Amino acid sequence: GIQVEQSPPDLILQEGANSTLRCNFSDSVNNLQWFHQNPWGQLINLFYIPSGTKQNGRLSATTVATERYSLLYISSSQTTDSGVYFCAGGNPQGGSEKLVFGKGTKLTVNP
Amino acid sequence: EAGVVQSPRYKIIEKKQPVAFWCNPISGHNTLYWYLQNLGQGPELLIRYENEEAVDDSQLPKDRFSAERLKGVDSTLKIQPAELGDSAVYLCASSLEGGLYYEQYFGPGTRLTVT
Repeated sequence: GIQVEQSPPDLILQEGANSTLRCNFSDSVNNLQWFHQNPWGQLINLFYIPSGTKQNGRLSATTVATERYSLLYISSSQTTDSGVYFCAGGNPQGGSEKLVFGKGTKLTVNP
Repeated sequence: EAGVVQSPRYKIIEKKQPVAFWCNPISGHNTLYWYLQNLGQGPELLIRYENEEAVDDSQLPKDRFSAERLKGVDSTLKIQPAELGDSAVYLCASSLEGGLYYEQYFGPGTRLTVT
């Protein structure tokens, strides 16, 4: 099945800094999602982005499907951005239609 | 629009006891998923339903875990008997349809502690 690797595993920023999180996947995907898991455990949808570029406020994401990676950009970080960021990908080939999650990037934004 | 609803949010039980989790998906979503999230890990799929049919339960430990989605709407996941290693967060998600062509939305999860 698909394998998803995220980097870096941990990231500490000062408020106002920018950051880039990376997600590599071992095979082509037709579903690629980025989530933010807040301190209460809720997975919040950030982007559904199997290809291309999307922006939502201070966050943007780019997926280069042919090279099997996706990037999440956070600009002007705020303390409320702290939490764990997951990417998850899926490919129905082989009969298993499931999202495979990476291990996440734990982001800490200090005031 | 209401999101995915799960209950209870927290559950503490002794080992060998049964436990059940409930999920109500987003209205109109035909596909429902149960995921397991261990501490420090990403969620892993346990079972996927298309309407009331379980179409992928290959990751569900069938000796002690069971699930149902009788009317194709809400779903229940049961563990009987619970073991210490079952302590984790159980997440429910839903999407409009299956096939991985639709965005999945997650509920707040049920945090299970087995003592």
